[in-house]
Parts: sequence; C-alpha cells; structure tokens
Amino acid sequence: DTEVTQTPKHLVMGMTNKKSLKCEQHMGHRAMYWYKQKAKKPPELMFVYSYEKLSINESVPSRFSPECPNSSLLNLHLHALQPEDSALYLCASSQGSGGLDTQYFGPGTRLTVL
Amino acid sequence: AQSVTQPDIHITVSEGASLELRCNYSYGATPYLFWYVQSPGQGLQLLLKYFSGDTLVQGIKGFEAEFKRSQSSFNLRKPSVHWSDAAEYFCAVGPYSGGGADGLTFGKGTHLIIQP
Repeated sequence: DTEVTQTPKHLVMGMTNKKSLKCEQHMGHRAMYWYKQKAKKPPELMFVYSYEKLSINESVPSRFSPECPNSSLLNLHLHALQPEDSALYLCASSQGSGGLDTQYFGPGTRLTVL
Repeated sequence: AQSVTQPDIHITVSEGASLELRCNYSYGATPYLFWYVQSPGQGLQLLLKYFSGDTLVQGIKGFEAEFKRSQSSFNLRKPSVHWSDAAEYFCAVGPYSGGGADGLTFGKGTHLIIQP
C-alpha cells in the first residue's frame, strides 16, 4: 500500500483566517514533505521532515507553519495568507533513507485564498 | 546544481499511436530519475523510476523509460496510448545524499493530449 491521504480536498479561506492542512501515511516512512503547485507549474518543495524533525525549509514565509506530531502525520498551519498563496498543496512521504528514496504523493488540497 | 528539462510543453498523439516524452537531466553524479503522471486536479502518481542496473525500466500502465547516460536522457515511452493517458507528465531527479531526505527537482512537465 503506497497511500498518502490529505484532508481537506478543498479549502477556501479569507486572508484573516487560520486553517490547517493534514497529511497522513501508514507506510512506516520517516520522511514527509510539503510541496506547493501553482496552475500549469511543477511542484515546488516547501518543507521536509526527516524523523519528525524539520530538516529543510525552502525559505517559506512564516504564514506557513509545518508540524509533524508523529511519524505518520504532517500538518501545515495557515495564517494570514495572501491570494497568491492559492494553489494545490501536495504532501509526500518516503522511507527517508536519502539516495535511493522514492516519494509517494497524496491527492493534494486545493486551497483558495479570498 | 541539478536540473531537469522537458523540451515539449504539449504533445498531441492519436489514440493507439506510440508515444515518447523527452527528458534531459543535469546532475553531478549518478542520477535517480523518476516519471510521475498527474491527472487534472489530482496528486502525482509514480509511473517508474531508475536508480541503477538495467537502463530500460518498466513501469505501470504499460509505460517504459530508457536511461542513456551519454545523452543525459530518460525518455518515457508507450507503444500504444489510450484516451485515459491524457494528463500532465513530470520527469524528476531525486535527492542525492548519503543520508536524509531532500526534495525532488521536477521538469516543467509535458501536457499530453490524446486525439480520438
């Protein structure tokens, strides 16, 4: 089973709202990722968690706050977003071994910021 | 720095015809290469991957890809496309590290259109 689940599927929020995206995997993977994908563009890496510790932050604005409560869960907390943050947010997971790693993606959360 | 180039933004193929999607990479060492497919509004599904060994790799849905080091290429092929193959295809180069995770570097994608 190579399933990564994400909730919600769609989210509409105002610029003053606080919301969270959730990602879950039960493959025993130790690395989890957040990517942002704008329309007709490839995914862009935002954050990497390795063994529940934040290992990579690609200079993402502080209005995006990741959290990894345990090895199966990854959250992305959103606050004071801008309309240009509207995008598809993809979560992925991998064994976390580096090198020979394969990332498996969830279906994404479609975020619209009004 | 690693990079991936997909020269074709759009490709139109008739149903039942063969398909080849091009991918060129730039990498300082042995690359770890992937092809993903994305249907509209969906996540990315792994089609196949290359780490080492046999340079012709088989994937799901009847796809295959050939790694050619001399040409820095990893082209995706399918002998006969189906209308359901219409999607966005991304080539990616994987993290190279002795340990720890890192992000994928994606090409800009090729949009595949299937003509009836």
